[in-house]
Amino acid sequence: AQSVTQLGSHVSVSEGALVLLRCNYSSSVPPYLFWYVQYPNQGLQLLLKYTSAATLVKGINGFEAEFKKSETSFHLTKPSAHMSDAAEYFCAVSEWGGSEKLVFGKGTKLTVNP
Amino acid sequence: DAGITQSPRHKVTETGTPVTLRCHQTENHRYMYWYRQDPGHGLRLIHYSYGVKDTDKGEVSDGYSVSRSKTEDFLLTLESATSSQTSVYFCAISDAGTGSYEQYFGPGTRLTVT
Repeated sequence: AQSVTQLGSHVSVSEGALVLLRCNYSSSVPPYLFWYVQYPNQGLQLLLKYTSAATLVKGINGFEAEFKKSETSFHLTKPSAHMSDAAEYFCAVSEWGGSEKLVFGKGTKLTVNP
Repeated sequence: DAGITQSPRHKVTETGTPVTLRCHQTENHRYMYWYRQDPGHGLRLIHYSYGVKDTDKGEVSDGYSVSRSKTEDFLLTLESATSSQTSVYFCAISDAGTGSYEQYFGPGTRLTVT
């Protein structure tokens, strides 16, 4: 079965600093990969997705992620953090390429300090 | 935003009572899902549906049942609520199988079992 590991349950950055949230997956076949963001008391919102096209994926709000098959990673980055980026971020992988079920990581809570 | 509503948004109930949560979509998506979110666990799949009257279990299905009599509605029932079922419940929808495997989430229902 697929699994997703998000390194760091909490990440703290200063406003304007680089944001790097890590995600590693286990898969023997190329998966579909997703990043979601959850603001307090809200549902999850899709940030970006990788579905075997370009390995560098751009999403909303200036975020991007790079699929690295050799490292089984799909890390999320943003060059300059904004206070409004404070939220919880979830990485998810399809159970197998094109599965209707997603497996979610446990989440990383991002704090942005002024 | 995907047209997904959940009702009720908040509920407090007593141990041993039955509870039904409703998810309603206006997107005509084939797949619907129920997740629970708990601190330190991320999102865990309870049950999902791949069509009217077609449902399957997720990883934490014990104590829960579901029904889908119409494309747009997916009900989650706790037959006899327990304190361990205190959680935030999210409904999601997907058009998996048409090339889009991402899931779209509702706003959540916060359930407290006393």
